[in-house]
Amino acid sequence: NAGVTQTPKFQVLKTGQSMTLQCAQDMNHNSMYWYRQDPGMGLRLIYYSASEGTTDKGEVPNGYNVSRLNKREFSLRLESAAPSQTSVYFCASSGRRGPSNEKLFFGSGTQLSVL
Amino acid sequence: AQTVTQSQPEMSVQEAETVTLSCTYDTSESNYYLFWYKQPPSRQMILVIRQEAYKQQNATENRFSVNFQKAAKSFSLKISDSQLGDTAMYFCAFMKQSNDMRFGAGTRLTVKP
Repeated sequence: NAGVTQTPKFQVLKTGQSMTLQCAQDMNHNSMYWYRQDPGMGLRLIYYSASEGTTDKGEVPNGYNVSRLNKREFSLRLESAAPSQTSVYFCASSGRRGPSNEKLFFGSGTQLSVL
Repeated sequence: AQTVTQSQPEMSVQEAETVTLSCTYDTSESNYYLFWYKQPPSRQMILVIRQEAYKQQNATENRFSVNFQKAAKSFSLKISDSQLGDTAMYFCAFMKQSNDMRFGAGTRLTVKP
């Protein structure tokens, strides 16, 4: 029961470095999401992908890019990391639309520190 | 844009007692879903309970129940017979039909022995 798998779990970057956070789900879900979690601010949506081949901006997209590589994988890229991007990042997925499917399954998170 | 407000940053309750966490939201949608997620120190996000807006009956999951007031746009979580394992951050969340889920800032709940 892998569910949603994120890698890496921890990462330290220097300002200006780039990196990609990987996310994969094995539940055949259509929709995938990237959130960041900061103290006192809950989870904020960065980008989401409602289906393979589509991506949309969320609340805080600046400084990030995403790729929906296929139905299983949704990656988040920081082209030039900044200290303000220090956060915990969560990937999530959800299944087909329908009353019983409307919920998110989350990965275990990535703690990212930008120095 | 939808917003979710949790007005209680921190709460505490004695073991075996009942506690209610508050949540309000703002939306112009008529069909949507509401959720409470629990985040223990392990950081894992765990779904506690969900409510469809078109259902008048309040959702219940064992010791967890909600008070959903659609007209007031209020969605509170009641935890009965609180247990030490209930200590966690609790997030209220709103999802509209497009599957775009938004979260409140969270309430840190501590259950005291």
